[in-house]
Amino acid sequence: DVKVTQSSRYLVKRTGEKVFLECVQDMDHENMFWYRQDPGLGLRLIYFSYDVKMKEKGDIPEGYSVSREKKERFSLILESASTNQTSMYLCASRVAEGAYNEQFFGPGTRLTVL
Amino acid sequence: DQQVKQNSPSLSVQEGRISILNCDYTNSMFDYFLWYKKYPAEGPTFLISISSIKDKNEDGRFTVFLNKSAKHLSLHIVPSQPGDSAVYFCAAPAVASGTYKYIFGTGTRLKVLA
Repeated sequence: DVKVTQSSRYLVKRTGEKVFLECVQDMDHENMFWYRQDPGLGLRLIYFSYDVKMKEKGDIPEGYSVSREKKERFSLILESASTNQTSMYLCASRVAEGAYNEQFFGPGTRLTVL
Repeated sequence: DQQVKQNSPSLSVQEGRISILNCDYTNSMFDYFLWYKKYPAEGPTFLISISSIKDKNEDGRFTVFLNKSAKHLSLHIVPSQPGDSAVYFCAAPAVASGTYKYIFGTGTRLKVLA
């Protein structure tokens, strides 16, 4: 059974703190993704990684960075958290080959920045 | 520039009736589409897909229709059940860095009334 896990389901941080969100997949997938979900805005891609140590900016990368040192782990970093980064963060993974393979999502991390 | 659009943010349907969720796209290069379903506090899960070589794909109570000339697809749920209450996202894969990323719509929140 495929699995994407995220380190926390709920997180509360203060403005200016450095925040790490961790994602691990056990499917040996090459591609991994970080999204945020906000009401009325859908799923917006922050960053994705198509291989170890490789990363690409998504649609809204400002204020975020990522790290992928191992194939199974993809971290999202908020260097200095701000209140407008309060959101649901979703990690996903998929095989790199072909367009017709679904993405598998983790359960999400609800981040609140005070 | 939103390449995948879901213009109805919400929809309420009586139990047993048909639910129709719509999705429009602008990029004629898209040749595959997916629908994801998301419950609160959970990650999205894959529901059904359709290739552009077809105009219909059916899986139990769920059917997706594709009208390429109108760049429009729709998800039909018949009969609707209270457990179908969720947010539904349509998505299309787009080429990125030698692999694919998904372009998601903004989602439609379906509420099935008992």
